Amino acid sequence: DSGVTQTPKHLITATGQRVTLRCSPRSGDLSVYWYQQSLDQGLQFLIHYYNGEERAKGNILERFSAQQFPDLHSELNLSSLELGDSALYFCASSVDGTGIYEQYFGPGTRLTVT
Amino acid sequence: AQSVTQPDIHITVSEGASLELRCNYSYGATPYLFWYVQSPGQGLQLLLKYFSGDTLVQGIKGFEAEFKRSQSSFNLRKPSVHWSDAAEYFCAVGGLAGGSYIPTFGRGTSLIVHP
Repeated sequence: DSGVTQTPKHLITATGQRVTLRCSPRSGDLSVYWYQQSLDQGLQFLIHYYNGEERAKGNILERFSAQQFPDLHSELNLSSLELGDSALYFCASSVDGTGIYEQYFGPGTRLTVT
Repeated sequence: AQSVTQPDIHITVSEGASLELRCNYSYGATPYLFWYVQSPGQGLQLLLKYFSGDTLVQGIKGFEAEFKRSQSSFNLRKPSVHWSDAAEYFCAVGGLAGGSYIPTFGRGTSLIVHP
C-alpha cells in the first residue's frame, strides 16, 4: 500500500459525459502528479501540482482539467468524454516539487467510456 | 525532448535464471533515470533511480541497474528471478519541466516467469 488513495476504482460512463477522479496523496506529500495509461499511448504524464499550484503540464487535453485543494487532495476532471479517453488514470504523490524524490503511485481509476 | 526505448515487449525467463531488461534513453543533459514495476491491477512502484555518482545502482527486491552514458543505456538486472517478479517493468527518464523533473516512460517490458 503506497498510501495514495484514488476514488473511484472503476468508472463506466457514456460519451459526452463529464467525470471527476479524486486523489488523496500520502500524508506530508505536497506534490500530486496525474498520468494516463492506455494501450495506445502507454503511460503518459498529464499534469503536476505542487502545494496547490500547477507546476507542469504534459499531454493533457483541453477537455481535461485538474486542481489541487488546500488539503492537498487533487481532482482530475474529464469532460466531453470520447471512447479514446478510456484508460487507467493514476495519480502519484511526492514529498516536494522537484521530481527527484520517489513518486508514490495510487492504485488507479479505470475509466471506461461507452 | 526526452524519450525512452524498451526494445523488448515481452521477456520470458525460468525461475532462478538471471534477468536483464534493456532501456535506452535520449536526453540532452545528465539524465535522471528510474525503473518502476507494475504488478497486475496495481500502481507503479519505484525499484531504483539514478541521479549521479556510482553508475551501478542497487534497488529493492534484489534488482540493480547500470548507467552507461556512452551507450545511453540503463539496463535492469537481477541475478536470480523469483516467480513473484512476474510483472510489467517501466524505465523512465526525468526531464525538466516547470522547475521539476517529470518522468517520460518507456512502453514497458512484460516479464513472464516459468516455474
